[in-house]
Amino acid sequence: GAGVSQTPSNKVTEKGKYVELRCDPISGHTALYWYRQSLGQGPEFLIYFQGTGAADDSGLPNDRFFAVRPEGSVSTLKIQRTERGDSAVYLCASSPEAGAADTQYFGPGTRLTVL
Amino acid sequence: GEDVEQSLFLSVREGDSSVINCTYTDSSSTYLYWYKQEPGAGLQLLTYIFSNMDMKQDQRLTVLLNKKDKHLSLRIADTQTGDSAIYFCAESFSGGYNKLIFGAGTRLAVHP
Repeated sequence: GAGVSQTPSNKVTEKGKYVELRCDPISGHTALYWYRQSLGQGPEFLIYFQGTGAADDSGLPNDRFFAVRPEGSVSTLKIQRTERGDSAVYLCASSPEAGAADTQYFGPGTRLTVL
Repeated sequence: GEDVEQSLFLSVREGDSSVINCTYTDSSSTYLYWYKQEPGAGLQLLTYIFSNMDMKQDQRLTVLLNKKDKHLSLRIADTQTGDSAIYFCAESFSGGYNKLIFGAGTRLAVHP
């Protein structure tokens, strides 16, 4: 079956621009996570959705970052006024149950480059 | 606070065992994980261990957990060139969902 998909796979933008990154979770998965992986680092948690609601957004670095999941499936991570420090790979993961240890599946990521 | 540390690089000969180590600071973790990341591929869950266990074995993989020292290790037996990748240690906590805290990753290079 289809895994977690993310689009675009690569995004190059200029400093100050607005970007949207999309995540299509595995069908039926209620839990969705966003992470950010900077070069040479491990993924860093950004936000967790259970259904349509953001249950934990403690990892969002500042108010330029926002994420939505209006229908409980597809999620969009939105970054306003991008900065060079936002350059990273943005990873999405989904899980059928929020607390299950072995069923968090990661997408291939979107590589964001801010010039 | 939450912090996960790993050594950055490990080089082993094909056929030898690899041991990748990880230390963490938060003793309230519920699960500890090992993920594998290959170039151009997504993160793949290799194995995980519940925090009240000491050891878990899964084919060529052995996970050891020393909760007193907050030390986790992953042993790969008979390491193959296909095992070359970055290995991430991660932890999660009780709270009903699996927010993962990752280390910086250990790059494993397997040479003939």
